[in-house]
Amino acid sequence: DTAVSQTPKYLVTQMGNDKSIKCEQNLGHDTMYWYKQDSKKFLKIMFSYNNKELIINETVPNRFSPKSPDKAHLNLHINSLELGDSAVYFCASTGTQFGEQYFGPGTRLTVT
Amino acid sequence: GDSVTQMEGPVTLSEEAFLTINCTYTATGYPSLFWYVQYPGEGLQLLLKATKADDKGSNKGFEATYRKETTSFHLEKGSVQVSDSAVYFCAPMFNDYKLSFGAGTTVTVRA
Repeated sequence: DTAVSQTPKYLVTQMGNDKSIKCEQNLGHDTMYWYKQDSKKFLKIMFSYNNKELIINETVPNRFSPKSPDKAHLNLHINSLELGDSAVYFCASTGTQFGEQYFGPGTRLTVT
Repeated sequence: GDSVTQMEGPVTLSEEAFLTINCTYTATGYPSLFWYVQYPGEGLQLLLKATKADDKGSNKGFEATYRKETTSFHLEKGSVQVSDSAVYFCAPMFNDYKLSFGAGTTVTVRA
């Protein structure tokens, strides 16, 4: 059983398009995250939800909008995609505020 | 403000060599400290952690000790294997729920 899953694994699209990435966790965790990893492997936190409430909202263009329909799901919608949005996006979850975060396998987004 | 500095790579080693990756942090408080590992093509996974001064985290032959006096959490392994080739991230938790990742160190172990 996959603990944190993401779909799709790969996403290739053109500039200006709108796309979504989905994340689901079956660990019963209350908190979920979105991270962006660039080509140099640098990881940046984007958003976090706790019990469907937004608790972390880093400096991210407002073209990015997270949505949490329930505690087990956190989706990321991106409008008007730009070349600089090309990256690997990771979803993660945790059960405690100081605990281990469990990461999904990543979604590699390529904008052409 | 709070920050983390991690030794830059890439690091290339032969099998059975000793590995150390330096990590230091600046913090107003006493963060929990984590090392995460990312194997090629995968997501990150927790390697080890320490939550208070002098704690030693260990896993898969890796160790790191929470050093409050030097604000460091260096990662070490005495004898690396090819399967240890990965990217390693130091990650203090300065605030509730929020990890701050270092830049990552790419380690390649040659047979």
